[in-house]
Amino acid sequence: DQQVKQNSPSLSVQEGRISILNCDYTNSMFDYFLWYKKYPAEGPTFLISISSIKDKNEDGRFTVFLNKSAKHLSLHIVPSQPGDSAVYFCAATPLGQGGSEKLVFGKGTKLTVNP
Amino acid sequence: DTAVSQTPKYLVTQMGNDKSIKCEQNLGHDTMYWYKQDSKKFLKIMFSYNNKELIINETVPNRFSPKSPDKAHLNLHINSLELGDSAVYFCASSRPTGGPGELFFGEGSRLTVL
Repeated sequence: DQQVKQNSPSLSVQEGRISILNCDYTNSMFDYFLWYKKYPAEGPTFLISISSIKDKNEDGRFTVFLNKSAKHLSLHIVPSQPGDSAVYFCAATPLGQGGSEKLVFGKGTKLTVNP
Repeated sequence: DTAVSQTPKYLVTQMGNDKSIKCEQNLGHDTMYWYKQDSKKFLKIMFSYNNKELIINETVPNRFSPKSPDKAHLNLHINSLELGDSAVYFCASSRPTGGPGELFFGEGSRLTVL
C-alpha cells in the first residue's frame, strides 16, 4: 500500500539545466509535504516543504509545486549543480501535534547531475 | 559536533541474537524517532518519543523495544533477531518550533542478520 509514490527511480540531467522530480500520493488526509535529500552513507536531510493550503513554495534554487486535485507534487531544481546529485525522497504527513506526525516516504529518486 | 549520532553504524549478527542500537541528539529537541529503511528502500516510521513518552508505536513486532532514558537519547533493542530485520535503522529528532515533519536524521545503522 504505497501512499507516496515516486515512479522514477533515477533521473540524469546536465549541469545548469532544470531537474524535475515527481511524486504522487493517494491519501487525502495528508496536509504537509516535504522533500528530503540523501547522500550515500548519510541520513536524509530536510530540503523544502509545502502546506496543502499552498500550491508553490520556493527556496533559492529549489521550488516545490503542489497540485492537490491531482494529488501530485514536484520538486524543481534550477540550475542543477553536480553537488545536487543525491537521492531525493518525497514525504507526506497529516498534521498532528508535535511528535505525532507520521512521515510517509516514497522510495526515492536518484538524481545525477552531470558536469 | 554530530547533531544526531547513532552507534554502531554497522552491525552483523546471527539470527536469534539480541542487539541494541543507541541514538543521541545534542540539539535539545524534545521528540525522537526510529525509522527503518528496508531492502525495498522504503523509510517507515517505527516509534516516536516526546520527552521520554511514547507517542507513536507503529505495527512493529514486540521484539523491538525502544527505550528513552532521557529526552536526548532513544535506544532501540531488538530481541531474537530474524533475517527480515536486516535493514538500515535511522534515528531522528525534531523540535517543537520546526515545521511539521522536519526531522534531523542520524547517519543510520546498517543491521545485517545472517
